[in-house]
Amino acid sequence: GAVVSQHPSRVICKSGTSVKIECRSLDFQATTMFWYRQFPKKSLMLMATSNEGSKATYEQGVEKDKFLINHASLTLSTLTVTSAHPEDSSFYICSARVGGSFAPLYEQYFGPGTRLTVT
Amino acid sequence: AQKVTQAQTEISVVEKEDVTLDCVYETRDTTYYLFWYKQPPSGELVFLIRRNSFDEQNEISGRYSWNFQKSTSSFNFTITASQVVDSAVYFCALSAWVFDDKIIFGKGTRLHILP
Repeated sequence: GAVVSQHPSRVICKSGTSVKIECRSLDFQATTMFWYRQFPKKSLMLMATSNEGSKATYEQGVEKDKFLINHASLTLSTLTVTSAHPEDSSFYICSARVGGSFAPLYEQYFGPGTRLTVT
Repeated sequence: AQKVTQAQTEISVVEKEDVTLDCVYETRDTTYYLFWYKQPPSGELVFLIRRNSFDEQNEISGRYSWNFQKSTSSFNFTITASQVVDSAVYFCALSAWVFDDKIIFGKGTRLHILP
């Protein structure tokens, strides 16, 4: 099946710094990528939907200036957490969608996640 | 609005017992997808099944089976003869049958299989 990678798998950063997380579709082109956030022992919450070449669509309550998403190519989307604070510590998971605009071809593959710790 | 409810927060069973994880969903869409994912301690989501709303046939895959009932808006998951390796968090999820739609996850059920 299709493979989605994330880098780094774990990152520790100091409060006030920015950190970038990459999401790559390794063997397919993904016109749409999604970014989720998961707090410990909680569910996955969608943060934003990213379409290649256009601005990301953020879910209600997600600060777009804090969580910068760039989807510059069909195989790469990046999430940058700016001016990170300890409350941003979480597990961030991306997913990439294959198939065209025909919904029955919808398939979404998840990356392995990135664990961010802000000290 | 779309919503997925997994009422069972945590379940513990002894190995070899059967266990059913409940999932109830809400949607105003007439066509939609339902999913189950497994999340082991490593954190990576493992896709288990996708079912579209047109197909109410139950599915069996090895020790796993799924019961989809539109009448009760439920999509329950049963593990037969559970094994310790089945210990994980299991998420039920829902998405609409439209382009670019997102997946809505339930809160998950943490399953402990005791040896």
